[in-house]
Amino acid sequence: GAVVSQHPSRVICKSGTSVKIECRSLDFQATTMFWYRQFPKKSLMLMATSNEGSKATYEQGVEKDKFLINHASLTLSTLTVTSAHPEDSSFYICSAGPRTSGTWGGETQYFGPGTRLLVL
Amino acid sequence: GESVGLHLPTLSVQEGDNSIINCAYSNSASDYFIWYKQESGKGPQFIIDIRSNMDKRQGQRVTVLLNKTVKHLSLQIAATQPGDSAVYFCAETSNAGGTSYGKLTFGQGTILTVHP
Repeated sequence: GAVVSQHPSRVICKSGTSVKIECRSLDFQATTMFWYRQFPKKSLMLMATSNEGSKATYEQGVEKDKFLINHASLTLSTLTVTSAHPEDSSFYICSAGPRTSGTWGGETQYFGPGTRLLVL
Repeated sequence: GESVGLHLPTLSVQEGDNSIINCAYSNSASDYFIWYKQESGKGPQFIIDIRSNMDKRQGQRVTVLLNKTVKHLSLQIAATQPGDSAVYFCAETSNAGGTSYGKLTFGQGTILTVHP
């Protein structure tokens, strides 16, 4: 149980195009999902917190108009990198917090396998 | 304060040895800590967690030690195997509520290489 998937696993796009990455909780409902970015040989940096049915909360320094997040259902959150540029090339990882008794306990998070984005 | 991504330190051990991976965390308000294992090209995988009201917790071949006085966390892996080779990250969070609720702050990570 507690599986999180991401699609696509890797994507190559041209500079200026937009790319959408999906994060799905396959066997549980996720009230909250998180999006992280990871550069090679570096740690994970939280980009934003995505709450179902409400606007995402972005970390300082993350452009909300560039990284559009939508959490339309309890099993799906999407991250759209708009007008992608080579510096957006990175490993994007989502995590999901399972909903228990109507709320999320704020602890256990399950991570997706990540999406490798390469912008040419 | 927030942990900042840095170039990862490395630890090389022989198969069968015990490994100790250390982590210094920054937020004294953090009350829940997790160790993750990340293999190349994959997402983090949960290993073990510990709450701030504990100083030690054991799992299968792994032990986590927490020293809140010096804000230090360690992961001990017994009888390390080649399959343990990966990057290990500690993460901290606070369940105190507010805007930081459930947000994980990751440590810099350590690359563990196990030689047969």
